[in-house]
Amino acid sequence: DAKTTQPTSMDCAEGRAANLPCNHSTISGNEYVYWYRQIHSQGPQYIIHGLKNNETNEMASLIITEDRKSSTLILPHATLRDTAVYYCIVRVETGANSKLTFGKGITLSVRP
Amino acid sequence: EPEVTQTPSHQVTQMGQEVILRCVPISNHLYFYWYRQILGQKVEFLVSFYNNEISEKSEIFDDQFSVERPDGSNFTLKIRSTKLEDSAMYFCASRREEGTGELFFGEGSRLTVL
Repeated sequence: DAKTTQPTSMDCAEGRAANLPCNHSTISGNEYVYWYRQIHSQGPQYIIHGLKNNETNEMASLIITEDRKSSTLILPHATLRDTAVYYCIVRVETGANSKLTFGKGITLSVRP
Repeated sequence: EPEVTQTPSHQVTQMGQEVILRCVPISNHLYFYWYRQILGQKVEFLVSFYNNEISEKSEIFDDQFSVERPDGSNFTLKIRSTKLEDSAMYFCASRREEGTGELFFGEGSRLTVL
């Protein structure tokens, strides 16, 4: 799986959009971009994933650049409960061995 | 909403003792995983399991570890002879299908080895 790089931490004000960047310059054509988050020491929680097109769901939006070398996770209206470690992961979809490899992630702190 | 459940939430054991961590994956899921997270460190892959056999395991998953799906609903991780460095949060995860299916994680079992 390709490696990703994320800033160590960032913060944003409650109610504002949080834009979390991720670089994955060595991504292959068959690798998807996934975002998970981990609130405190809870189990990781799936947020969103995409291949080429931008994606949106009830939690977030995922913007993938045209060359697919980077992406941005957008939380449109951050709340205090969005304070967590966010992981950007690229993963090949190859059946049973399709594990996730977590990096250090980015710690998002939402301030009141 | 269906969820992955894990028991116990916290277990304290003496070094050298055997520990079994239990997981009930989401009922129609086919792929099962164990991860661990040592305090302050990354979430690390241990093992994946499909069709009643291990499909991949990491270097961490040595002979002291084993997994089993004994009855079609539970998925267990056994550590035969615990070491101090096995102290960690252990997360079970499951996935429904091949392809772009997301992994659903349980809330974890905290293992403390004294």
